[in-house]
Amino acid sequence: EAQVTQNPRYLITVTGKKLTVTCSQNMNHEYMSWYRQDPGLGLRQIYYSMNVEVTDKGDVPEGYKVSRKEKRNFPLILESPSPNQTSLYFCASSPRGRRTSGGYNEQFFGPGTRLTVL
Amino acid sequence: GEDVEQSLFLSVREGDSSVINCTYTDSSSTYLYWYKQEPGAGLQLLTYIFSNMDMKQDQRLTVLLNKKDKHLSLRIADTQTGDSAIYFCAEYQSYNTDKLIFGTGTRLQVFP
Repeated sequence: EAQVTQNPRYLITVTGKKLTVTCSQNMNHEYMSWYRQDPGLGLRQIYYSMNVEVTDKGDVPEGYKVSRKEKRNFPLILESPSPNQTSLYFCASSPRGRRTSGGYNEQFFGPGTRLTVL
Repeated sequence: GEDVEQSLFLSVREGDSSVINCTYTDSSSTYLYWYKQEPGAGLQLLTYIFSNMDMKQDQRLTVLLNKKDKHLSLRIADTQTGDSAIYFCAEYQSYNTDKLIFGTGTRLQVFP
């Protein structure tokens, strides 16, 4: 089944304890992206990657890191989490330059990771 | 600016039509999307429209695009309880970044 997976789905941690949220897609997509969703703010892009070893900042990159060593994986790293990073995180992927049944640049989303930083 | 705006809540009776509105600011957007987020789940693409179209219909869904006013709407006919979800509009910003700009989301509540 074509999908984007994220782990863990739920995480409660404490301030300053490094954590990684994994994201993996099995659709051979070039583009991957991380978003955070907060009430009243919609989805805001944290980082994105156009292909392997190519990453760039989105709108709210502070406090986050990413890497793209393989095409299928795009982990999100919080080196020193703080309470303002408590949020719902989504990973997404899409094929670049190719139309899908959902039009151009249809993004496929993972199920989300709910993170609480105490 | 890059703001995509939506009203936060909409409540409708089962069987009625729902209309969810969105305004966007980037007149060069080529694709505009509607995503649906059910409780506890990720976003799923519901429908999309090319910027050179005024209307698109897909079963119970009708998308209207007014490019002059930068206004996008999603009409759901015969709204069902299963339509209760958060609906996000999004605009495709640029091939250079493949960026989608999402609206704030509209929570649709359907009551019997």
